[in-house]
Amino acid sequence: DIQMTQSPSSVSASVGDRVTITCQASQGISSWLAWYQQKPGKAPKLLIYAASSLQSGVPSRFSGSGSGTDFTLTISSLQPEDFATYYCQQANSFPGFTFGPGTKVDIK
Amino acid sequence: EVQLVESGGGLVQPGGSLRLSCAASGFTVSSNYMSWVRQAPGKGLEWVSVIYGGGSTYYADSVKGRFTISRDNSKNTLFLQMNSLRAEDTAVYYCARIDYDFWSGPNWFDPWGQGTLVTVSS
Repeated sequence: DIQMTQSPSSVSASVGDRVTITCQASQGISSWLAWYQQKPGKAPKLLIYAASSLQSGVPSRFSGSGSGTDFTLTISSLQPEDFATYYCQQANSFPGFTFGPGTKVDIK
Repeated sequence: EVQLVESGGGLVQPGGSLRLSCAASGFTVSSNYMSWVRQAPGKGLEWVSVIYGGGSTYYADSVKGRFTISRDNSKNTLFLQMNSLRAEDTAVYYCARIDYDFWSGPNWFDPWGQGTLVTVSS
């Protein structure tokens, strides 16, 4: 199974800050990576797919990069509605898709 | 509008059974890869099962032999039959469609239902 790790596990930031979250796969997954946002009590929402493609309707302040084993999600200017937990997911090995442990972004 | 609505969660004793349903609208369940993903309280996301094509299925090792995924094409609904439930199966269960690309195959989960809580406790 492909294992996913994320860092940091949590980050405290202020509105307007630039926030970067990293995700690492235990083996190369090309660009088969997605990012999800989850708010408390809600279902996850797809933000980024294929490592860097923005899902329709997602604000352009979100961006993704990387390939192989190392990936990054960046929020260029944090907004109040962005405080949430973010998960990466590898889609290289069907059916055993795996998620990272999550990164919680909260208010400083 | 593409939508998924889960139901069937609740409190069940260890060793008991429960059947979850996921009603889809705006697309056809039988033409898509459909999956269940769960999230234990305060924990991360865990893929549970998938069904696709003519009825091919896969399961996570943690539920293999105890859970069965199925679908009713006439009702456009996905199911998860959960037997021999354990305390560690306590979680919010989400159904989700897996996006599919002809060249790369199944990949991302979108959309997701709102989830249904399963609590296994005596």
